[in-house]
Amino acid sequence: AQSVTQLDSQVPVFEEAPVELRCNYSSSVSVYLFWYVQYPNQGLQLLLKYLSGSTLVKGINGFEAEFNKSQTSFHLRKPSVHISDTAEYFCAVRSNTGGFKTIFGAGTRLFVKA
Amino acid sequence: GAGVSQSPSNKVTEKGKDVELRCDPISGHTALYWYRQSLGQGLEFLIYFQGNSAPDKSGLPSDRFSAERTGGSVSTLTIQRTQQEDSAVYLCASSRQGLETQYFGPGTRLLVL
Repeated sequence: AQSVTQLDSQVPVFEEAPVELRCNYSSSVSVYLFWYVQYPNQGLQLLLKYLSGSTLVKGINGFEAEFNKSQTSFHLRKPSVHISDTAEYFCAVRSNTGGFKTIFGAGTRLFVKA
Repeated sequence: GAGVSQSPSNKVTEKGKDVELRCDPISGHTALYWYRQSLGQGLEFLIYFQGNSAPDKSGLPSDRFSAERTGGSVSTLTIQRTQQEDSAVYLCASSRQGLETQYFGPGTRLLVL
């Protein structure tokens, strides 16, 4: 079984500052990892995903995440945030050995202030 | 092309009534998922369908919840004898077999009075 822990429920940050949203997972098997974003009054959309290969993954809107197997982490980063990045961010994990069950974290609300 | 659609967008019902929530996945997507998002909570996996395989029902919270997928396309999530704790946004997503991106619908907001 897998589980996901998002260490911060809310992250306030000023515009143009860097941000890191933390995600740790636990799993007894190898996994795929995802970050989804939910903008206010919109549906969830994929931000980026790690399936295999390079541990540094780049996504949309300037976000990137690094898979760290030894620390079982998949933290999301952006060097300079915009007001429009204000949203809820969800980390998710899925076993890569079969099946499609995806476990989501509780979410981190990023609030970008002017 | 068209995305995942869900209906109704909002549903208000009385405790004890049954409700049906509908999901139309993206055409050609063989995998379909249902999640529940309660206020202030993350997404809770409920069930997924993959082609003609037996669905994974391991996330259904009680036997009052059931889902079916007809013809490998449209899916219906049924909640019988609704309770106030069933109030949440129910999200449907679909993905193409072999690709991992899930495409989410706008959700159905269920309120049980």
